[in-house]
Amino acid sequence: QQQVKQSPQSLIVQKGGISIINCAYENTAFDYFPWYQQFPGKGPALLIAIRPDVSEKKEGRFTISFNKSAKQFSLHIMDSQPGDSATYFCAASREGETSGSRLTFGEGTQLTVNP
Amino acid sequence: DAGVIQSPRHEVTEMGQEVTLRCKPISGHNSLFWYRQTMMRGLELLIYFNNNVPIDDSGMPEDRFSAKMPNASFSTLKIQPSEPRDSAVYFCASSFRASVSNQPQHFGDGTRLSIL
Repeated sequence: QQQVKQSPQSLIVQKGGISIINCAYENTAFDYFPWYQQFPGKGPALLIAIRPDVSEKKEGRFTISFNKSAKQFSLHIMDSQPGDSATYFCAASREGETSGSRLTFGEGTQLTVNP
Repeated sequence: DAGVIQSPRHEVTEMGQEVTLRCKPISGHNSLFWYRQTMMRGLELLIYFNNNVPIDDSGMPEDRFSAKMPNASFSTLKIQPSEPRDSAVYFCASSFRASVSNQPQHFGDGTRLSIL
């Protein structure tokens, strides 16, 4: 019940195209859904996050769409650029849980944006 | 601004040796997390501390692993004895509060550990 499933495993997009990465979760108690971006040799860095009380959040070229009933959320990267080439992780957590601030990560998507 | 600092960046050692990974969190952050990243298992939370106290160590794989946080500016993750299956990238992260929904976790650049 703590799993977060992410797809696709890898994605190749042309410059200027839209990159879409999907995640699905099982635990309905999750109430915070961040996306992290990781470049080779670096640690993950928070990109954008959403709570389930909204269906969409946009920050620049990055948008999270959230479907609570389907228990799914996705990351859309508009006008994808070669500099966006990285590994993207979705994650989920439950706020206020006494056992902690455990982020459950998806498996990751390696995005390549061709020039 | 100094981010989360991990050392060493790379460690290669032989099976059976003790390995110590070090982490200096961002000043002012009161929560610290240790993660392990492998191709097979992805990113796994091993243990996290709040105000230097271990809160959840359920992710620590076995007794060979131990973590300490003697003060707010330093933490160690030890593996003794090390085994080849411990080879992975180990990340330390810190945040201002334990609740990730309010403050993001800031990750270090990791320690790439290879056990021969």
